[in-house]
Amino acid sequence: NAGVTQTPKFQVLKTGQSMTLQCAQDMNHEYMSWYRQDPGMGLRLIHYSVGAGITDQGEVPNGYNVSRSTTEDFPLRLLSAAPSQTSVYFCATHGRTYEQYFGPGTRLTVT
Amino acid sequence: AQSVTQPDIHITVSEGASLELRCNYSYGATPYLFWYVQSPGQGLQLLLKYFSGDTLVQGIKGFEAEFKRSQSSFNLRKPSVHWSDAAEYFCAPVTQGGSEKLVFGKGTKLTVNP
Repeated sequence: NAGVTQTPKFQVLKTGQSMTLQCAQDMNHEYMSWYRQDPGMGLRLIHYSVGAGITDQGEVPNGYNVSRSTTEDFPLRLLSAAPSQTSVYFCATHGRTYEQYFGPGTRLTVT
Repeated sequence: AQSVTQPDIHITVSEGASLELRCNYSYGATPYLFWYVQSPGQGLQLLLKYFSGDTLVQGIKGFEAEFKRSQSSFNLRKPSVHWSDAAEYFCAPVTQGGSEKLVFGKGTKLTVNP
């Protein structure tokens, strides 16, 4: 089992470009989340999903879109990248015991 | 509103010294409680968790945490720190049966001096 996978590991974008961060899990969990991590800010929740077809906003959703068409996949879309979105992005999943499993992260730089 | 506080942003200890990292929460009911560790350049890994029962829980790597309901705290401890414990530590309460918005404290960065 791979657990939680994220691609790409690193990405550089120019301001205004769009891209999709991929996240996949093979743990058959209903719940998936996206976080961003910035120095001194901890992990902040961007969007989350409680099952296929159901998503909701977290603490910092602006500038990001998500969809959940399957249990396994939960992509995060940046519509028009801004330098403020330079961060490390983590995808996570959990089951009914709430123990979170994290992907390895995507380091995004927006110039 | 629900909140979690890790009062110490950065702690430095000497190898072999004891460690206590603080976590306080403000929730309407007693939440499930988790501590995660993030080594440099890595993702987060679960250290330990508390759901109910014995208020002193043991985790991986020799860590333990004590739940104190009266203080709304779940502090992480280790009797003797190793250099490999240098990392960032996150506390994460979860509302039982409530919202799936799982949030984290801002983290405590641990530096271990030889």
